[in-house]
Amino acid sequence: GAVVSQHPSRVICKSGTSVKIECRSLDFQATTMFWYRQFPKQSLMLMATSNEGSKATYEQGVEKDKFLINHASLTLSTLTVTSAHPEDSSFYICSPRVQNTIYFGEGSWLTVV
Amino acid sequence: AQTVTQSQPEMSVQEAETVTLSCTYDTSESNYYLFWYKQPPSRQMILVIRQEAYKQQNATENRFSVNFQKAAKSFSLKISDSQLGDTAMYFCAFTRGLTGNTPLVFGKGTRLSVIA
Repeated sequence: GAVVSQHPSRVICKSGTSVKIECRSLDFQATTMFWYRQFPKQSLMLMATSNEGSKATYEQGVEKDKFLINHASLTLSTLTVTSAHPEDSSFYICSPRVQNTIYFGEGSWLTVV
Repeated sequence: AQTVTQSQPEMSVQEAETVTLSCTYDTSESNYYLFWYKQPPSRQMILVIRQEAYKQQNATENRFSVNFQKAAKSFSLKISDSQLGDTAMYFCAFTRGLTGNTPLVFGKGTRLSVIA
């Protein structure tokens, strides 16, 4: 079956640095990618939607200059958290969509110290 | 905007018993899709069951079934013969379409504990 690979699964970074999270679809091409954020004991909140080759559309309240999303190919999308702060510590999940099927990555725990 | 409400933050059930998780939603769309996802401690999102709004028949997947009441905008999940491995967070989710840029909207989740 289809597999989505998200890396890193866990990352710790220092405040002020940037960290990149990759989401790869291993055996299908995803035209649309959704990025979600999940705080502890909370639900998944949509951050942004991206289409291959286009700029991402961000949800209200999500800083586009802080959370850089690149969807340069149909099999790879990246989320870069720039100038990370402790409040950015969270669980980030990618969700590629192809045809009428929704997939999820394994998620990435980000801890900013 | 669509909203999804799960009114039970936590539930528990004895092993082998049946439990029902509640979900209501609000939308003005006539056709849409509803889902239940399981999120175990690993945090991997696992699809439990899916329902298309235009189908009147309730979806079933082995021990999992739904009670879809379109007029009431209710979509409850019934887990029969509960197993210890069913312990997880369960999220109800809605989307108005499976093409284009239509994301899933999630409820706040219900934490289910299956007790031996």
